[in-house]
Amino acid sequence: DQQVKQNSPSLSVQEGRISILNCDYTNSMFDYFLWYKKYPAEGPTFLISISSIKDKNEDGRFTVFLNKSAKHLSLHIVPSQPGDSAVYFCAAKGYSSASKIIFGSGTRLSIRP
Amino acid sequence: DAGVIQSPRHEVTEMGQEVTLRCKPISGHDYLFWYRQTMMRGLELLIYFNNNVPIDDSGMPEDRFSAKMPNASFSTLKIQPSEPRDSAVYFCASSWGGYGTEAFFGQGTRLTVV
Repeated sequence: DQQVKQNSPSLSVQEGRISILNCDYTNSMFDYFLWYKKYPAEGPTFLISISSIKDKNEDGRFTVFLNKSAKHLSLHIVPSQPGDSAVYFCAAKGYSSASKIIFGSGTRLSIRP
Repeated sequence: DAGVIQSPRHEVTEMGQEVTLRCKPISGHDYLFWYRQTMMRGLELLIYFNNNVPIDDSGMPEDRFSAKMPNASFSTLKIQPSEPRDSAVYFCASSWGGYGTEAFFGQGTRLTVV
């Protein structure tokens, strides 16, 4: 039973355009959400996060949106660059078990020239 | 700090053999996680520790898997006996506890059981 779902295994976007990666969660106790980026043969690295008290958090080219009523979040990358090609993992944690981080299955983003 | 250090980076072993994966967390972090990456399930949490004590091992797939954290700077994940379906990349991660913190990952151990 996957509590964090990334339904798109892969996504291809043209360089310079917007990349939108989606994530859904089922556990209403989750209240902090994270995105990680992973290159081949490396460990995942933290990218951006959002607390449930917000609906948007922005960091440079990366913006995460949270829709609590729909239990949905998305990561927007604009403009997309070749170095953004990687696997992106959505993750969530709840306040009651503060440090248990649950990950989704990942979305492979490819930026084409 | 050098980050989370995992060893070995690659392990190839024969079915039935014992495999031990090692992890050194970032100094000062009080949480340590073991994850397994597979195509089907993505990053799957196996077990995590707080202050060297196992908190939740509900993700450990079978009794063949065990994990220990004898001190704040070292943890092991052991598979005995290993099976081909255990082949995956295993990641260790550490963090400070509490709300609003992220985990830092090691580079992983790619395990192949033949």
